[in-house]
Amino acid sequence: ELKVEQNPLFLSMQEGKNYTIYCNYSTTSDRLYWYRQDPGKSLESLFVLLSNGAVKQEGRLMASLDTKARLSTLHITAAVHDLSATYFCAVDTRDAGGTSYGKLTFGQGTILTVHP
Amino acid sequence: NAGVMQNPRHLVRRRGQEARLRCSPMKGHSHVYWYRQLPEEGLKFMVYLQKENIIDESGMPKERFSAEFPKEGPSILRIQQVVRGDSAAYFCASSLLLTDTQYFGPGTRLTVL
Repeated sequence: ELKVEQNPLFLSMQEGKNYTIYCNYSTTSDRLYWYRQDPGKSLESLFVLLSNGAVKQEGRLMASLDTKARLSTLHITAAVHDLSATYFCAVDTRDAGGTSYGKLTFGQGTILTVHP
Repeated sequence: NAGVMQNPRHLVRRRGQEARLRCSPMKGHSHVYWYRQLPEEGLKFMVYLQKENIIDESGMPKERFSAEFPKEGPSILRIQQVVRGDSAAYFCASSLLLTDTQYFGPGTRLTVL
């Protein structure tokens, strides 16, 4: 069974600081997603990482994927209050033949709070 | 292009009643997924459907839960004889292709009294 683990689960940051959220997963997959969720709201797609070494950046967020290490990172640069939210990574589940099952397995989420 | 639509947004049911949750995918999307989010937890996959077919229901409880995606109309997640443990946010997502990004609806927050 695919397991997806994020750490830290809680992150309290000061504005202007940098930090990284880690996402480890247990089986082979080459498609990883990062989503953001504000309290009481739905999930907003941030990044889709499709191959080993993929790096994507949007504003103060940068995501990377190392499929050999089964690790993705979400790096936050110079945090601002507007980034406060819960961040989820999710991994596409595939069978031995590489066929996607269509379902995503989510990590537990990282609750990010950015303080002035 | 409207996003994924879900209704109702909030639903309150008493134990033993039925809950019907509706999801209209994004225009042109034929792949629909249902996920459940319990308080303070991540999302858990329930079922994946294409038009008129259930493709993968491995995450759905064997009893009381069913899902459909008819040829016409929205996808429906039905929970019979609800219990307090069914209280959660239920999210629907859709994608254009199987391996595309899944776009999520606003969710239905079910409260069972």
